[in-house]
Amino acid sequence: QQQVRQSPQSLTVWEGETAILNCSYEDSTFDYFPWYWQFPRESPALLIAIRPVSNKKEDGRFTIFFNKREKKLSLHITDSQPGDSATYFCASNTGGLSGKLTFGEGTQVTVIS
Amino acid sequence: GGIITQTPKFLIGQEGQKLTLKCQQNFNHDTMYWYRQDSGKGLRLIYYSITENDLQKGDLSEGYDASREKKSSFSLTVTSAQKNEMAVFLCASSILGAYTEVFFGKGTRLTVV
Repeated sequence: QQQVRQSPQSLTVWEGETAILNCSYEDSTFDYFPWYWQFPRESPALLIAIRPVSNKKEDGRFTIFFNKREKKLSLHITDSQPGDSATYFCASNTGGLSGKLTFGEGTQVTVIS
Repeated sequence: GGIITQTPKFLIGQEGQKLTLKCQQNFNHDTMYWYRQDSGKGLRLIYYSITENDLQKGDLSEGYDASREKKSSFSLTVTSAQKNEMAVFLCASSILGAYTEVFFGKGTRLTVV
């Protein structure tokens, strides 16, 4: 059972465009949603995160939009750059003592110039 | 800052073999994790350890054992390697708590022949 789903599986955008990555979840107890990015032959690293007390989190060109009622969130990458080409993972956590995360299967983003 | 060191970087095993992967972190983090990453399937949690004397199963624990030898080290054993298995095993760590950044090591790439 896939508790965190991502779409699309892959996405290609032109430099300067906005890339939109989608994520949905099933477990309503999830209350922390980090996005990790992973470059080829590298390990995942935290990009940006949101908690449901907010419906938007912005960090530079990266913005998370969160819809708690629909259990959906999206990551918008504005003014996409070739250096943004990576696989992006949506993850979730139910809180508690540990930071254990449930990951989606990822969206591979390619930015072409 | 800190670093997570995984050994070995590459591991080739034979079907049925017992294989051990090691992980050391110098962040002084309480919590450590083992994730498995298959191509196109995101990351799946195998085992985690909230504090030094704790050990908990993740969603993918069948076929694996883990051991938290001390606060800084966490090892994973593949109890019986499956033929044609190929995956990257990622060790990670974080401070205690849910809304924390999880840091990943560079991984051990396993191939079973």
